[in-house]
Amino acid sequence: KQEVTQIPAALSVPEGENLVLNCSFTDSAIYNLQWFRQDPGKGLTSLLLIQSSQREQTSGRLNASLDKSSGRSTLYIAASQPGDSATYLCALFGGSEKLVFGKGTKLTVNP
Amino acid sequence: DGGITQSPKYLFRKEGQNVTLSCEQNLNHDAMYWYRQDPGQGLRLIYYSQIVNDFQKGDIAEGYSVSREKKESFPLTVTSAQKNPTAFYLCASNPGTRGGSNQPQHFGDGTRLSIL
Repeated sequence: KQEVTQIPAALSVPEGENLVLNCSFTDSAIYNLQWFRQDPGKGLTSLLLIQSSQREQTSGRLNASLDKSSGRSTLYIAASQPGDSATYLCALFGGSEKLVFGKGTKLTVNP
Repeated sequence: DGGITQSPKYLFRKEGQNVTLSCEQNLNHDAMYWYRQDPGQGLRLIYYSQIVNDFQKGDIAEGYSVSREKKESFPLTVTSAQKNPTAFYLCASNPGTRGGSNQPQHFGDGTRLSIL
């Protein structure tokens, strides 16, 4: 059974810092990995999707990488801003017709 | 704009009452999902549907029921058998996942259900 772990559960950084969020998984047989952002009381917004055959994806200040052999993905946020404060979740699609989610990392960027 | 609409935003349930949460999408997506989110638990899958008139149980289906009579609609009923229904409920959709998926999943803004 696929298990997805995100460490740390919470992270607080000063504005302007570059940071990395981690996601690890137990089964490397995946189709894709997605990173989502969730603001308090809201739904999830898709940030980046990495296909199984890809190593990374970039969107603006965000860069996500995927290493299936080690069962890891990272989300890199450059020059963090207070508006980046949110919970970030990773999720994997492994062909079981459903996503498996991690519990998320709550990020706080302090002005 | 295309998207997923969940209603109501807040819902209160009395003891022994069934309540229905609405989810409508205009993205022309085949697959739809219901998740439950509790603090510290992450998202747990309740039910999902890959096509009209067909749906499957997720990891925590007990005490819930769904229907998929139309492609754009996937309502969730929280029955009186669900003894701990207080949670944030999220509906999602995807173009389709048969044979794999290369499209991101879209989410609605959620319904927060509480017990009176």
